[in-house]
Amino acid sequence: EVQLLESGGGLLQPGGSLRLSCAASGFTFSNYAMNWARQAPGKGLEWVSAISGRIESTYYADSVRGRFTISRDDSKSTVYLQMNSLRAEDTAVYYCAKGPFAMVTAMDSWGQGTLVTVSS
Amino acid sequence: EIVMTQSPGTLSVSPGERATLSCRASQSVSTNLAWYQQKPGQAPRLLIHGASTRATGIPARFSGSGSGTEFTLTIGSLQSGDFAVYYCQQYNNWPFVFGQGTKVEVK
Repeated sequence: EVQLLESGGGLLQPGGSLRLSCAASGFTFSNYAMNWARQAPGKGLEWVSAISGRIESTYYADSVRGRFTISRDDSKSTVYLQMNSLRAEDTAVYYCAKGPFAMVTAMDSWGQGTLVTVSS
Repeated sequence: EIVMTQSPGTLSVSPGERATLSCRASQSVSTNLAWYQQKPGQAPRLLIHGASTRATGIPARFSGSGSGTEFTLTIGSLQSGDFAVYYCQQYNNWPFVFGQGTKVEVK
């Protein structure tokens, strides 16, 4: 069974930094793309970033490019999202999601999410 | 950036009836389109990818169709657990974007 467990969320002030982690189990982690998506309170879904399997190409939404960095450690079956220069509009539940292939496409398994609140 | 527009915003349907949800892309995404279901307080769940391929474990009453810019998700004979918000997402061009969602509620 695929399991994705996000951690690292919390409350912080604008301009701060945070690193989210997503520990995966139940599949051969290195073979699959991994994604981060978010959902602001009461709003819809927003895809944030993705990293392919094997080649480790990275992709970002315009709203976070230059501030967020996605990475993966296949030896730990973990994907990370380093978030810098955080803004109030980054407040959201952040979901980690697995893709069905090494290349980035849809997201076939999701974690339960971790809440990030940016507020002064 | 491709814009994904879902309609209607809210769909009121009686249990046992069929629901038809639409998703339009501002430019062609071929068949690189997915549908997700999200219930309150839960993570999204993949229903359909490749515009028409059901994900593992998804009941046959969920079906997807379309290509290019026009897509449809059909839920046949709605059950109580199907009342939720549904999102489409294109993965043909970066950045990948979601539609704004369609809420399917009990009539």
